[in-house]
Amino acid sequence: QVQLVESGGSVVQAGGSLRLSCAASGFNFNTYFMYWVRQAPGKGLEWVTFIQGDGETQYYADSVKGRFTISRDNSKKMMYLQMNSLRPEDTAVYYCTKGLSAYGSAWSTWFDPWGQGTQVTVSP
Amino acid sequence: EIVLTQSPATLSLSPGERATLSCRASQSVSSSLAWYQHKPGQAPRLLIYDVSNRATGIPARFSGSGSGTDFTLTISSLEPEDFAVYYCQQRSNWPPITFGQGTRLEIK
Repeated sequence: QVQLVESGGSVVQAGGSLRLSCAASGFNFNTYFMYWVRQAPGKGLEWVTFIQGDGETQYYADSVKGRFTISRDNSKKMMYLQMNSLRPEDTAVYYCTKGLSAYGSAWSTWFDPWGQGTQVTVSP
Repeated sequence: EIVLTQSPATLSLSPGERATLSCRASQSVSSSLAWYQHKPGQAPRLLIYDVSNRATGIPARFSGSGSGTDFTLTISSLEPEDFAVYYCQQRSNWPPITFGQGTRLEIK
């Protein structure tokens, strides 16, 4: 079955860097859009970033643009989120998720399934 | 950016009752709307996409409706496992993709 497993979350000081990983299995990874979504403490869900199946196109939320970089290694079925210049407001659980359907179809922008998340805490 | 506003913020109901959750968009999203269920400590789960299509494995008591700017998630008869936070999400003219702030469905 489809599985997404995040790792790499940690406690880091403001201004520091962290790299999150997402290991995918159970589906044809290189044909799916992939995303990171986060949830800050006591807050709702916030879309962070997107990467196309071939890795050629990425989009970012304004809140992370210029600081975060999404990438993927299709040969390893892995997705990454490089987070630089971290701020306390980046503190959140970060979820890895994939598009509902493959090949950039209209359903590719619905998120299904999601991983269990990894906690990132940025201290002041 | 399209802003989604969910109401009410908290809904207190008993098992067996009908739940009606609303999501209003700041501009038309056509039929580009989905609903997710999120329980503490668990991964969010896709319930409904394209306004009214149930995702795989989602029980028939969950249904979605609406178009344009006003959308509704209905749970026809609440089961104990349905008490959670529910989010709407839009993908019209993205990026960005945006979520509503959530409705907490709690046991009365």
